[in-house]
Formats: sequence, structure tokens, C-alpha cells
Amino acid sequence: QVTLRESGPALVKPTQTLTLTCTFSGFSLSTTGMCVSWIRQPPGKALEWLALIDSEDDKFYSTSLKTRLTISKDTSKNQVVLTMTNMDPVDTGTYYCARTNWNYRQEFDYWGQGTLVTVSS
Amino acid sequence: QSALTQPASVSGSPGQSITISCTGTSSDVGSYNLVSWYQQHPGKAPKLMIYEVTKRPSGVSNRFSGSKSGNTASLTISGLQAEDEADYYCCSYAGSSIRVFGGGTKLTVL
Repeated sequence: QVTLRESGPALVKPTQTLTLTCTFSGFSLSTTGMCVSWIRQPPGKALEWLALIDSEDDKFYSTSLKTRLTISKDTSKNQVVLTMTNMDPVDTGTYYCARTNWNYRQEFDYWGQGTLVTVSS
Repeated sequence: QSALTQPASVSGSPGQSITISCTGTSSDVGSYNLVSWYQQHPGKAPKLMIYEVTKRPSGVSNRFSGSKSGNTASLTISGLQAEDEADYYCCSYAGSSIRVFGGGTKLTVL
């Protein structure tokens, strides 16, 4: 079965760089049509799509955040890593990774449980 | 890349039907049949309920259905049940592999 799990620091200071890792199983990012995205949700607020990486190693970013984001993958480890620079308290929220099976156009069909990141000095 | 517009809240009584709208633009909802809907219960990860505007993943009740007209997509839940009370989010492909979510709708089952 497909599972995803996010990991990373629970607390970061303003101006620091956040690094989150999504470790997944049940599929391979070397399979054509598979993609993994990062999505975040501030407390009590809406979901926001951040970035996507696909099986071809193409990378796509939210227009408003692209200067701060880097997404990468390690296919051998079944991991996707997101880095976000210059963290600010407004970046506080739960960060999710989610799979897209583009072969069937199934967007975000599996999600991790999310990891809460708090930005505070 | 602006967020899609959803009503902040909708409500209905058990057994009734409700519809949640999701309004975008000709650059996202209006251009692609790639709208998806997610259900999120408090403290839980979102769950895919509808993809490609009208399709249901395996295991999702047929009480959930989706549609689209122009720049507005809709999610309809028929035969409301207490367990349907949750937040609902739409998401659309917006070209160049960009995705955009809606602001979310809180469904209350009276």
C-alpha cells in the first residue's frame, strides 16, 4: 500500500532554512507519471500548494514562493526533500507531502499525516 | 496564481443535499478538466473525494459528485450524513504544472 511520511524540525527560528523530508513507500518516483508535491496549511487556514517534482525530475513551484523553495528527490531512498529559505512566523503551519498519479490524473491521492512547523525565536 | 473562491461555510440537515462552489478563472478551472476535491476532518490529512471534475476514487461514496460549468466547479453531497461534517477544499491545475487550492468550505450537518 502507498504511504508517505513527513519529517523535519518542529521549531525553526526566523531567517533560518527549513528542510523537510518526505519518505514514501508503495510506489516509485522513477515510474512515469508519478509525482510528489508539498502542500502546507497554516493553523485554521486553507491548504496551499508549494512545489511538485515528477518522475522526470522536473520541478515546479508556487509562483509566490518560488524564490525560497527547492524540491529534490532521491529515488533510491524513496525520498523527496523540500527546502524553504528565510523562514518567517507566517510560514508556521502543517506541511504535507502528497502523491499525484498523473497516469490516471489522480491528484493528491495519498497524503502523509503532516508535520507541524513553528517559526519562532 | 490566486486562490480559488469557495464559500466559507455551508450547512444542511441529514438526508438533504448540499452543493459547494469553487470559482476560478479561465486560466485554471475554466481551461482544464482537472479539478479535484478534498475532505478534511479536524486534525487529519485531507482525503481525495473527486478528481478530474467528476471521477470518484475507489472507496468514495457515490453520494459525492462533481461538476463544472465555465470557471466554476461544484461538489454536491447528497443524503447528508453526520460524518460528512468537515472542511472541503477544491484544487485546480493552472497550467505549467502549477496547482491552486480554494480557500476551503466548512460543512456543518445540522
